[in-house]
Amino acid sequence: EAQVTQNPRYLITVTGKKLTVTCSQNMNHEYMSWYRQDPGLGLRQIYYSMNVEVTDKGDVPEGYKVSRKEKRNFPLILESPSPNQTSLYFCAARDSNTDTQYFGPGTRLTVL
Amino acid sequence: GEDVEQSLFLSVREGDSSVINCTYTDSSSTYLYWYKQEPGAGLQLLTYIFSNMDMKQDQRLTVLLNKKDKHLSLRIADTQTGDSAIYFCAETPTSGTYKYIFGTGTRLKVLA
Repeated sequence: EAQVTQNPRYLITVTGKKLTVTCSQNMNHEYMSWYRQDPGLGLRQIYYSMNVEVTDKGDVPEGYKVSRKEKRNFPLILESPSPNQTSLYFCAARDSNTDTQYFGPGTRLTVL
Repeated sequence: GEDVEQSLFLSVREGDSSVINCTYTDSSSTYLYWYKQEPGAGLQLLTYIFSNMDMKQDQRLTVLLNKKDKHLSLRIADTQTGDSAIYFCAETPTSGTYKYIFGTGTRLKVLA
């Protein structure tokens, strides 16, 4: 079954404590992306990756890092989380044949 | 800049038709999408339309695209309580990047 997985699904942490949210896809898609979802703002793109070792900033990259060392994984790193990064995060992988993105189940992050 | 706008809420009675509207600004978009998000879940692709199409029908779903007015709509026939969710419109601008722009989402509530 084609899928995008994220871990953890829920995380509560404190300001300044580094964390990583993992994302993995089994569809061999080249393009992957991270979004955050906030009430009234919809989804905003944080970072995306066109292929292994190729990443670029989305609309709201500040405070985040990503890496793409292998095609299937695209972790999101928060070096020093702050309360304004409390949000619902989604990872997605894109089918280049149809430009369709398939989303993971989401990670709800709370930064105290 | 690129922007996608939707109304925030829509309420309909079970059995009626729902029409969710979306306006976008990038006239060079190639694909336009509708995603559904149920409570506590990720985004599920409902349907997409190529920018050179006017209409696409898929069972109870009808997508209409008016390129002149940059207006996209999703009609759900015979709306059921299971259709209650947030619906997101999204576009892929052809500006040389692979950024996706999402609307704020429309929360559809179906009344029994």
